[in-house]
Amino acid sequence: EAGVAQSPRYKIIEKRQSVAFWCNPISGHATLYWYQQILGQGPKLLIQFQNNGVVDDSQLPKDRFSAERLKGVDSTLKIQPAKLEDSAVYLCASSFGGGGAGEQYFGPGTRLTVT
Amino acid sequence: QQPVQSPQAVILREGEDAVINCSSSKALYSVHWYRQKHGEAPVFLMILLKGGEQKGHDKISASFNEKKQQSSLYLTASQLSYSGTYFCGTGERGGSGYSTLTFGKGTMLLVSP
Repeated sequence: EAGVAQSPRYKIIEKRQSVAFWCNPISGHATLYWYQQILGQGPKLLIQFQNNGVVDDSQLPKDRFSAERLKGVDSTLKIQPAKLEDSAVYLCASSFGGGGAGEQYFGPGTRLTVT
Repeated sequence: QQPVQSPQAVILREGEDAVINCSSSKALYSVHWYRQKHGEAPVFLMILLKGGEQKGHDKISASFNEKKQQSSLYLTASQLSYSGTYFCGTGERGGSGYSTLTFGKGTMLLVSP
């Protein structure tokens, strides 16, 4: 079974530039998550999709971050414009069931550096 | 609210035991445990969904005390491969009816030969 795929793996941009990350979840997984992990911290949920609907985006900085899940499968997370504090690893995860009840499978992450 | 993990770090010799604790100020729906090695994605260890539930595989087990809103992860006869950062994730019911996970800051475990 193929795992969660993410691209790119690394990205370096200057502040005020924009960037987009892509995620392909495990086939059949209805729930998709985007997490931000700052060095030395645990993953922080940015947005959770159930199929192609958003069920939680309370911690997504909506003035600069946006996310969509096309046709309930792939997802894209965008940052525009980026700030220095956005430097982090962005993890995509998926699960068959909902966030609290389902085992979450994480992708390899995208390491973003904002200079 | 982020769960609190303790200790922040622990160093063991191979074969020794360790306990990692996770506590929350909120009523919990579930507790998840994950291990993350440096530069890698978190890997699922186990979920506890009911108060009083205990689970385990190999020499890693966990318990969930729903009344105290606490969970503990037990690593017995540690192996070198157990090294990494352990995160607990606590599940709470959101307003939409769906549950979300909030992760603690992690406990770094280093097992030396």
